[in-house]
Amino acid sequence: EVQLVESGGGLVQPGGSLRLSCAASGFTFSSYWMSWVRQAPGKGLEWVANIKQDGSEKYYVDSVKGRFTISRDNAKNSLYLQMNSLRAEDTAVYYCAREIYDFWSGYRDRFDYWGQGTLVTVSS
Amino acid sequence: QSALTQPRSVSGSPGQSVTISCTGTSSDVGGYNYVSWYQQHPGKAPKLMIYDVSKRPSGVPDRFSGSKSGNTASLTISGLQAEDEADYYCCSYAGSYLVVFGGGTKLTVL
Repeated sequence: EVQLVESGGGLVQPGGSLRLSCAASGFTFSSYWMSWVRQAPGKGLEWVANIKQDGSEKYYVDSVKGRFTISRDNAKNSLYLQMNSLRAEDTAVYYCAREIYDFWSGYRDRFDYWGQGTLVTVSS
Repeated sequence: QSALTQPRSVSGSPGQSVTISCTGTSSDVGGYNYVSWYQQHPGKAPKLMIYDVSKRPSGVPDRFSGSKSGNTASLTISGLQAEDEADYYCCSYAGSYLVVFGGGTKLTVL
């Protein structure tokens, strides 16, 4: 059974930092792209960042470029999101999600498994 | 990249059918057949219900179906059941490294 378990959320002051973790199990972690998707309170979903199987490619939504860093440790079956210079608008539940790319086109296809999320609150 | 446009809410009675629309542009929904739909119950994680416009993952009831015409994708739920009451989000590949979500639709089963 595929399981994704996020941790590391909490309350942080504006300008502060936080590192989120996602522990994966039930599948060959090193074979999949992985993503972080966030959801602000009462709002919709927003893709934040993703990382290729070997970590060689990383992509970010414009609003977090230069502030957030996605990484992974395939030996530990873990995904991470280092968040620096946090702003009030970063307040959200952050989900870890397994991502599927279409084999033939190489295009992004779907998020097939999601964790339960971890809440990040940026407030003074 | 702007969010895809979904109705804020839809409703239907048990046994009826409802359709949720998801409107984008030729740069996302209209340009690719990589539209997916997610169901989210309150306080829960999203769950993949439809991918590649109209494909159902294993375990998703065939009451759920997807389609696309031009820049608008649609999710249809037939034979509505109480447990279908949830928020639904569409998502589309938008070229390069981008994906974009819709704003979400709250489905109420009357």
